[in-house]
Amino acid sequence: NAGVTQTPKFQVLKTGQSMTLQCAQDMNHEYMSWYRQDPGMGLRLIHYSVGAGITDQGEVPNGYNVSRSTTEDFPLRLLSAAPSQTSVYFCASRPGQSNQPQHFGDGTRLSIL
Amino acid sequence: ILNVEQSPQSLHVQEGDSTNFTCSFPSSNFYALHWYRWETAKSPEALFVMTLNGDEKKKGRISATLNTKEGYSYLYIKGSQPEDSATYLCAQRNYGGSQGNLIFGKGTKLSVKP
Repeated sequence: NAGVTQTPKFQVLKTGQSMTLQCAQDMNHEYMSWYRQDPGMGLRLIHYSVGAGITDQGEVPNGYNVSRSTTEDFPLRLLSAAPSQTSVYFCASRPGQSNQPQHFGDGTRLSIL
Repeated sequence: ILNVEQSPQSLHVQEGDSTNFTCSFPSSNFYALHWYRWETAKSPEALFVMTLNGDEKKKGRISATLNTKEGYSYLYIKGSQPEDSATYLCAQRNYGGSQGNLIFGKGTKLSVKP
């Protein structure tokens, strides 16, 4: 049982480059989300999805796009990377209508030079 | 945006000590309170999901209580061990437009010295 799988684990980009962080879950969870974790800031919600075809903004959405074409996948796109986007990114999923806990991926450490 | 506060920010205890820390949250529109344990270089792992006022949950030496009327939850660790060293996160889920969202506190970092 893979759970939530994030790729890549590490990435270094130059300012202005674009890239996609991949997230996949095999638990048939409706709800998926992306967080960024910065020192002293805790986990902040970037975007979330309550099901295939539905996405919405979280607390810090600027500079990021998401899509949810399938239940399993929820990629996060950086359109034009900026140094302020240097962070550790976590994808998470959980069943939509229950009070089950969230399952997290192992994180992607992203550095923008 | 909900404001979930955790205190203290960090805590250093000796092996064998019992300890507790606090999560404060807005009590209006409360739906659920989650606790997660987050070890360095790993991903957060769920400890408890609590929904009812007066709820008390226990997992081994770790327990948690919930007061939804006054908006706080306590996490207790009895007889701390070095392997308990981690950051403990709480997160609130509320009723409303973004019903699935968890809003996290900044965590309490616990260090247990042998």
